[in-house]
Amino acid sequence: KNEVEQSPQNLTAQEGEFITINCSYSVGISALHWLQQHPGGGIVSLFMLSSGKKKHGRLIATINIQEKHSSLHITASHPRDSAVYICAVRRYSNYQLIWGAGTKLIIKP
Amino acid sequence: DTGVSQDPRHKITKRGQNVTFRCDPISEHNRLYWYRQTLGQGPEFLTYFQNEAQLEKSRLLSNRFSAERPKGSFSTLEIQRTEQGDSAMYLCASSSTGGYTDTQYFGPGTRLTVL
Repeated sequence: KNEVEQSPQNLTAQEGEFITINCSYSVGISALHWLQQHPGGGIVSLFMLSSGKKKHGRLIATINIQEKHSSLHITASHPRDSAVYICAVRRYSNYQLIWGAGTKLIIKP
Repeated sequence: DTGVSQDPRHKITKRGQNVTFRCDPISEHNRLYWYRQTLGQGPEFLTYFQNEAQLEKSRLLSNRFSAERPKGSFSTLEIQRTEQGDSAMYLCASSSTGGYTDTQYFGPGTRLTVL
């Protein structure tokens, strides 16, 4: 079983829909990252969370440490949000990021 | 542009050749990471430097792979005797000291194709 699981693997939605991507992990962590990867490979860090909730524009990220679960929400989705969204966690014990497989999001106009 | 830069962006090589990639981190960042990403997969951790010291090295980093960060600034990743399975995107990231929760900033990656 992978230490970081994301769902869904693929998500297609219409412009304007509310999007939720989920991440569950099985190891003890000090932080969780949400990242965005566009076609061509560039990776952008969206959020780093160790507790609670963060909001940036139309993006909201939450984490429940007890349940070992995080969600990334996109409100009023737009075609430019189309990308792969990756959840990655940092273990307590070292500096490695353990990556989920990513969720490929396509927003249709 | 003060972000993380990587060179080259693309490299095509024949099996058995050696290749070297360079990463220039954000100037004030003392931590530097190398990752490898194959098609359809999330990035895999390869190695990590704090200043010039290589503090962690994944078991994925076979003895054909070596990374250096001689002056604690730029880093190089060398792959000797390349194999077709080495074809991947090699990503570099940097961060500044901030305990265990620092944010990593990624470069554009070097895409390696081994023929």
